[in-house]
Amino acid sequence: DGGITQSPKYLFRKEGQNVTLSCEQNLNHDAMYWYRQDPGQGLRLIYYSQIVNDFQKGDIAEGYSVSREKKESFPLTVTSAQKNPTAFYLCASRGMADRGLYTQYFGPGTRLTVL
Amino acid sequence: RKEVEQDPGPFNVPEGATVAFNCTYSNSASQSFFWYRQDCRKEPKLLMSVYSSGNEDGRFTAQLNRASQYISLLIRDSKLSDSATYLCVVRLYGSSNTGKLIFGQGTTLQVKP
Repeated sequence: DGGITQSPKYLFRKEGQNVTLSCEQNLNHDAMYWYRQDPGQGLRLIYYSQIVNDFQKGDIAEGYSVSREKKESFPLTVTSAQKNPTAFYLCASRGMADRGLYTQYFGPGTRLTVL
Repeated sequence: RKEVEQDPGPFNVPEGATVAFNCTYSNSASQSFFWYRQDCRKEPKLLMSVYSSGNEDGRFTAQLNRASQYISLLIRDSKLSDSATYLCVVRLYGSSNTGKLIFGQGTTLQVKP
């Protein structure tokens, strides 16, 4: 089946540690995105990548880093510099909806908790 | 002012009711519009696209009014399984936007038996 996978589903981290969240897609989509979602808030864009070996900061990139070495993979590292990392992290890739419109499709998410 | 605004609700309705959600957007560069559904602690999933001519999919109807910068979602004959948060989503075009999606905070629907 084609789709987007994220791992792990739940992640616990101690303060001061860096952690890397995995995102893989086999949809052959060029563009991929990382969002975070906090309770009662909308999705906020962290980083995005339009093509392999290229990525841009989103609205809240501070304390995060990404890489895009392969089309299928877009891992996100949450560094110790991120002041409030506890959140639900969602990866997405861009594909066609209908009538030629493009939109984004999401993976199941990783719930990160900092202890 | 938020770029995409929705009434957060919650909307509590009985089974079989008709319920309507509204959404307004502020950026005139907005070109594509969508409704997503998000179940508790799950990822958002595309429900339907929204066109100026309207879009109907079974019990769901979406409308777009570009002049008023207003989007709506109508759910007829509500089912218990419709209980979720509905996200209004706008896609911006233009070289500086690179197809960025802007998400509303979501409207929560609770359908009661």
